[in-house]
Amino acid sequence: KQEVTQIPAALSVPEGENLVLNCSFTDSAIYNLQWFRQDPGKGLTSLLLIQSSQREQTSGRLNASLDKSSGRSTLYIAASQPGDSATYLCAVDGATNKLIFGTGTLLAVQP
Amino acid sequence: DTGVSQDPRHKITKRGQNVTFRCDPISEHNRLYWYRQTLGQGPEFLTYFQNEAQLEKSRLLSDRFSAERPKGSFSTLEIQRTEQGDSAMYLCASSLDVSPLHFGNGTRLTVT
Repeated sequence: KQEVTQIPAALSVPEGENLVLNCSFTDSAIYNLQWFRQDPGKGLTSLLLIQSSQREQTSGRLNASLDKSSGRSTLYIAASQPGDSATYLCAVDGATNKLIFGTGTLLAVQP
Repeated sequence: DTGVSQDPRHKITKRGQNVTFRCDPISEHNRLYWYRQTLGQGPEFLTYFQNEAQLEKSRLLSDRFSAERPKGSFSTLEIQRTEQGDSAMYLCASSLDVSPLHFGNGTRLTVT
């Protein structure tokens, strides 16, 4: 059974810092991995999707990497801003779009 | 593209009552998903439709839960005889085949 773990559960950083969020999964037979952002009381916004054949994806200040063999992904946020404060969720997909989510990392960027 | 729309945004109900939620997916999307998210947890898969056919249901979806997508467009999720443990955010998402999911803002259910 696929399990997804995210570390740390919460993170507080001063504005301008670069930071890394971690995601690990137990079954390497995945179709893709996605990172989402969730603001309080809201739905999920897709940030980056990495296909199983890819090693990384970049969008603006965000970079996500995938190491399928070790069951790990990282989300790197450069030059963090207070507007980045949110919960970040990673999810793996076994090719049915039945995503398995981690419990998220709650990020607070202090001005 | 107006995004995935869910109604209502919030629902407060007493234990034992029935509730129904609606989801309107992005118009050209053929797949529609329901997830449930409790406080401090990631979303958990409940069920999904391809067009009007319900193709998979999670074991989380007890007999009190039923979902429909009668014309392959909008979907409804009904919970009968609600229990306090049903309190959660119910999220709907849609996709075109296996393209990335687009999520709605969810319906927050509180059972008192």
